[in-house]
Amino acid sequence: DGGITQSPKYLFRKEGQNVTLSCEQNLNHDAMYWYRQDPGQGLRLIYYSQIVNDFQKGDIAEGYSVSREKKESFPLTVTSAQKNPTAFYLCASSIIIGTASYEQYFGPGTRLTVT
Amino acid sequence: QKEVEQNSGPLSVPEGAIASLNCTYSDRGSQSFFWYRQYSGKSPELIMSIYSNGDKEDGRFTAQLNKASQYVSLLIRDSQPSDSATYLCAVLFSGGYNKLIFGAGTRLAVHP
Repeated sequence: DGGITQSPKYLFRKEGQNVTLSCEQNLNHDAMYWYRQDPGQGLRLIYYSQIVNDFQKGDIAEGYSVSREKKESFPLTVTSAQKNPTAFYLCASSIIIGTASYEQYFGPGTRLTVT
Repeated sequence: QKEVEQNSGPLSVPEGAIASLNCTYSDRGSQSFFWYRQYSGKSPELIMSIYSNGDKEDGRFTAQLNKASQYVSLLIRDSQPSDSATYLCAVLFSGGYNKLIFGAGTRLAVHP
């Protein structure tokens, strides 16, 4: 089955700890994205990558870091510098044709709680 | 002004009725528009994409786009209780980066 997997589904951490969220896709999509969703708000873009070994900051990148060493994988690290890390984190992917992306498909998400 | 605006709802419709969900956007250069359905506690699921002015139908769903008015809508015919969810409107930002801008979503409740 083709799709996007994220792990873990739920994650609990103490304040001050870094934590890494996993995202893997076997759709052969070029582009991958990380979004954050807070209650009652739309999704906000954290980071995105259109090609291996390259990624760009989204609207709320402060306190986060990513890597893209393989086409299939785009892990997100939530660092202790992120002021309000508790949220629902969503990974997505899409094809790129030329310079345009098309439909973005989402993984099941990771719900992070930091206390 | 928010970049993508939706009425938060809840929009309550009886089973079998037509549900009409609306979205306005501020980026005049946007060319790609998407509707996602999100059940409580789950991730968004793509249900429709639309790129040209007019209507696009897929089963019980019809997306409507009017770029001049910067307006996109989703109609759900013969609404079912299983359609009860939050519907997110997303617009592909025209300034590059292939960034989707999401509205906050409209909560739809279909009652038997």
